[in-house]
Amino acid sequence: DTEVTQTPKHLVMGMTNKKSLKCEQHMGHRAMYWYKQKAKKPPELMFVYSYEKLSINESVPSRFSPECPNSSLLNLHLHALQPEDSALYLCASSQEWDRLYNEQFFGPGTRLTVL
Amino acid sequence: AQKITQTQPGMFVQEKEAVTLDCTYDTSDPSYGLFWYKQPSSGEMIFLIYQGSYDQQNATEGRYSLNFQKARKSANLVISASQLGDSAMYFCAMREGYGNNRLAFGKGNQVVVIP
Repeated sequence: DTEVTQTPKHLVMGMTNKKSLKCEQHMGHRAMYWYKQKAKKPPELMFVYSYEKLSINESVPSRFSPECPNSSLLNLHLHALQPEDSALYLCASSQEWDRLYNEQFFGPGTRLTVL
Repeated sequence: AQKITQTQPGMFVQEKEAVTLDCTYDTSDPSYGLFWYKQPSSGEMIFLIYQGSYDQQNATEGRYSLNFQKARKSANLVISASQLGDSAMYFCAMREGYGNNRLAFGKGNQVVVIP
């Protein structure tokens, strides 16, 4: 199983809503990532979890709250988002965080629209 | 300073022809890895090929090959015998060996394969 799954595929939410994005992998990877991608731009790293601990937070606003309940799951909790947060949110995983050859496997993404 | 440069405008390629996508990089780290990813309009980032800085041979993976010119700091992707399914955005990315474990992405190259 070399797949990273993400749910939901699409999400529309108001600025006062609370929602969560989910990501799952069963490849035994110990590093998991959240990226944000705007149209026609490269992905921007948001968070990195290594062995279920938050290793990197790229100064992401607190309205985005990551959670790693176990080594296979990664959540991104959303609250009081702004319209400019509308983007494709990609989850990825890799064997380890600190290996040079560190191919990241990406999920299909969640297209988020904030109204 | 930008670590990965992809400057080609959008490209139209005839089916069955080869296409070369340019990527130059900037690093003073002797140990680094270079990656190419494909992103179709569906959104998923698909890993294509990897080249390590110490690899003696150019990487190949099916129809994908990497023209690695270390002295010029370039890592161009060659896609042979283009197929309609190759229409996508292509991102070059680099990971440096020490200190910074992040993937630095270029801005991407848009490729459209025409029949």
